Amino acid sequence: GNSVTQMEGPVTLSEEAFLTINCTYTATGYPSLFWYVQYPGEGLQLLLKATKADDKGSNKGFEATYRKETTSFHLEKGSVQVSDSAVYFCALSLRGYSTLTFGKGTMLLVSP
Amino acid sequence: NAGVTQTPKFQVLKTGQSMTLQCAQDMNHEYMSWYRQDPGMGLRLIHYSVGAGITDQGEVPNGYNVSRSTTEDFPLRLLSAAPSQTSVYFCASNQNGQITDTQYFGPGTRLTVL
Repeated sequence: GNSVTQMEGPVTLSEEAFLTINCTYTATGYPSLFWYVQYPGEGLQLLLKATKADDKGSNKGFEATYRKETTSFHLEKGSVQVSDSAVYFCALSLRGYSTLTFGKGTMLLVSP
Repeated sequence: NAGVTQTPKFQVLKTGQSMTLQCAQDMNHEYMSWYRQDPGMGLRLIHYSVGAGITDQGEVPNGYNVSRSTTEDFPLRLLSAAPSQTSVYFCASNQNGQITDTQYFGPGTRLTVL
């Protein structure tokens, strides 16, 4: 079946540090890939997405590139801020109706 | 636009009680879904709907019922609550059902079953 694996957290960084959160997937076709973010006490919101191989999604300084050859969609940001502290979920959509298969989530904690 | 709204925000039930979690969206989206979020498990799909009158099961449907009588509303019913249903529940909607579609999530309902 389809699945998403992401690195376990928490990831603890100082402000302005470089961020990478690894995400790999298993799918029986060509999925769309997403990163959702959940700020404390809130629901999930879309951070970025990529819908075909070699696409790069970007938003708010975050980037991720859809790598079909390595089945990966790693999230990166060059300089994190305290306000980036949240839980980040990698997800894929493959079946109809756009329902999502999620990874377990990675908590990011950024200290001043 | 309110987006996706959920009520209540918090609920405590005793084992065996029933309740309905409410979800509504004002974006005229055809597709709606329910997920549960458990520590270390990510989000898992419970049920989804592709339009009024049409629902289907997701990954973890046991113990839950849904119906969709209008485009706007998609309630989730717990028939006889169990401690294993302690979780945070998220409702989501999306516009066109394609795999490229963005899902919009509600703020969640935190449910505790004693």
